[in-house]
Amino acid sequence: IAGITQAPTSQILAAGRRMTLRCTQDMRHNAMYWYRQDLGLGLRLIHYSNTAGTTGKGEVPDGYSVSRANTDDFPLTLASAVPSQTSVYFCASRPRDGSYEQYFGPGTRLTVT
Amino acid sequence: QKEVEQDPGPLSVPEGAIVSLNCTYSNSAFQYFMWYRQYSRKGPELLMYTYSSGNKEDGRFTAQVDKSSKYISLFIRDSQPSDSATYLCAMSAILTGGGNKLTFGTGTQLKVEL
Repeated sequence: IAGITQAPTSQILAAGRRMTLRCTQDMRHNAMYWYRQDLGLGLRLIHYSNTAGTTGKGEVPDGYSVSRANTDDFPLTLASAVPSQTSVYFCASRPRDGSYEQYFGPGTRLTVT
Repeated sequence: QKEVEQDPGPLSVPEGAIVSLNCTYSNSAFQYFMWYRQYSRKGPELLMYTYSSGNKEDGRFTAQVDKSSKYISLFIRDSQPSDSATYLCAMSAILTGGGNKLTFGTGTQLKVEL
């Protein structure tokens, strides 16, 4: 692995179902982020984690939860999916304290019907 | 009013043209500025980042920041069809709990035609 991987690549999900989007990085970056990208709204931060064991809420956290058990993995869970959660989801990571740039994964395209 | 404003385009230019992409922002707390390139159905790819006002050059790309006017630009010289993508500006501010968050423009779609 080199960089950030996300799974699945795409998914169609029935409303009300639970879904976990996976994100793994092999760069030993401390900070990780989840964004959603919607046409006309751009990328919006859902949740973030500055280091393993800590998480924080972004600007659109409702309906989503995250955990950070170790440095490499940062899963995003939709407990009960709704159609408004149809979006493209990107995981990102930041190299180190004091850096500001973030590096993105390839994304998961989610459709909630 | 959005914190970051970016013209969505689409912007269509001939091959070899100089392209100018721009963003304005309203939050004085933004300190770091980035440009990302995103190809269709792919993740954003970091092109350039800068902290200070002025210009930063990397090959055919030049990033320009004017903090006094709250205005940033990305110039692409000798544009190529492979530059056809959506370009996102992003700006960094400190999070309450530490670390930083990026605020993105909505992106400008660029098409470079043969």
